Amino acid sequence: EVQLVESGGGLVQPGGSLRLSCAASGFTFSSYWMHWVRQGPGKGLVWVSRIKNDGSYATYADSVKGRFTISRDNAKNTLYLQMNSLRAEDTAVYYCAREYLALADWGQGALVTVSS
Amino acid sequence: QSALTQPRSVSGSPGQSVTLSCTGTSSDVGGYDYVSWYQQHPGKAPRLMIYNVSKRPSGVPDRFSGSKSGNTASLTISGLQAEDEADYYCCSYAGSYLDVFGTGTEVTVL
Repeated sequence: EVQLVESGGGLVQPGGSLRLSCAASGFTFSSYWMHWVRQGPGKGLVWVSRIKNDGSYATYADSVKGRFTISRDNAKNTLYLQMNSLRAEDTAVYYCAREYLALADWGQGALVTVSS
Repeated sequence: QSALTQPRSVSGSPGQSVTLSCTGTSSDVGGYDYVSWYQQHPGKAPRLMIYNVSKRPSGVPDRFSGSKSGNTASLTISGLQAEDEADYYCCSYAGSYLDVFGTGTEVTVL
């Protein structure tokens, strides 16, 4: 059974940093592209970033480019999202997702709140 | 990277059919056959319902179907059931390994 478990969310002040983790199990992690998707409170889904299976290539939404960095450790079956220069509008539940067919598998999400 | 446009809400009675639209541009929906649809119940993670415009993953009921014409993709739910009441989001590949989601549609079963 595919499992994706996010962690690392919490309350951070504007301008601060936070790193999310997504622990993967139940599939060969190193074979799949992975994504981060976020959802602000009461709002819709927003695609954030994707990373190639070997970690050699990544892309970002314009809204986070230059502030967020996606990475992965295939030896640890873990996906990361380093978030810097956080803004109030980054407040959201952050989901990691496996790219299979489309985004076939999702974690339960990690809540990030940016507030002073 | 502008969000794809979806109607805010759609409703139907049990057993009826409803169609949700998802309008983009020639740079996303119209340019690639990589449109997917997700169902999300309150407080839950999204669930993949349709991929590559019209394909259903294993386990998704066949009353869910997808199509595309030009820059607009559609999701049809036939034989609407109470458990179909949820938010639905479309998503399209937008080139250069970028993706974009729709604004979301709330489906209400009357």
